[in-house]
Amino acid sequence: DAGVIQSPRHEVTEMGQEVTLRCKPISGHNSLFWYRQTMMRGLELLIYFNNNVPIDDSGMPEDRFSAKMPNASFSTLKIQPSEPRDSAVYFCASRPWDSNNSPLHFGNGTRLTVT
Amino acid sequence: QKEVEQDPGPLSVPEGAIVSLNCTYSNSAFQYFMWYRQYSRKGPELLMYTYSSGNKEDGRFTAQVDKSSKYISLFIRDSQPSDSATYLCAMEVNQFYFGTGTSLTVIP
Repeated sequence: DAGVIQSPRHEVTEMGQEVTLRCKPISGHNSLFWYRQTMMRGLELLIYFNNNVPIDDSGMPEDRFSAKMPNASFSTLKIQPSEPRDSAVYFCASRPWDSNNSPLHFGNGTRLTVT
Repeated sequence: QKEVEQDPGPLSVPEGAIVSLNCTYSNSAFQYFMWYRQYSRKGPELLMYTYSSGNKEDGRFTAQVDKSSKYISLFIRDSQPSDSATYLCAMEVNQFYFGTGTSLTVIP
């Protein structure tokens, strides 16, 4: 079990640039979650998918953020244009959807710095 | 009021001490309770997962849930320097709710 894989681990970009974060969930997990973590606000849910379908995107801050899950083994979170206040650690997590007794499994995150 | 409240610490203890970490919550519908450990520059990893009120033990770790008081705890016995991390509580009903985490340092 390779775990949830995220790339890149670190991203430094200038304000206004497009940023794309990538996630590969654990094989067999059909629920995928994107979180943002900051010191001030802790872990915030941005969006989650069940069977590749977005279920709840109410946590996406604004239209600059978008997420896709084209297949069961890949998801992207895109920020366009990026702003300094987007600087945070972005985590992807997965779990089996049809299990009522399964916690989230997290990747090691992407640390985003927007200058 | 936040759904889940957790004291951010930081908490510093000597090696071998018993550590108590706590969270309170407001939603009586929460059914599943978790503790995650997060090392610096890593993702949260699951430590303990409980469903009912009472205690669950796993090695040096004990998770305690008191649904009547809406209070959960994590106890670490014989704490080790390798336990130094941030501990997050989490609860679930339809979605996950996380505490902001307690930073723990165990001093050798």
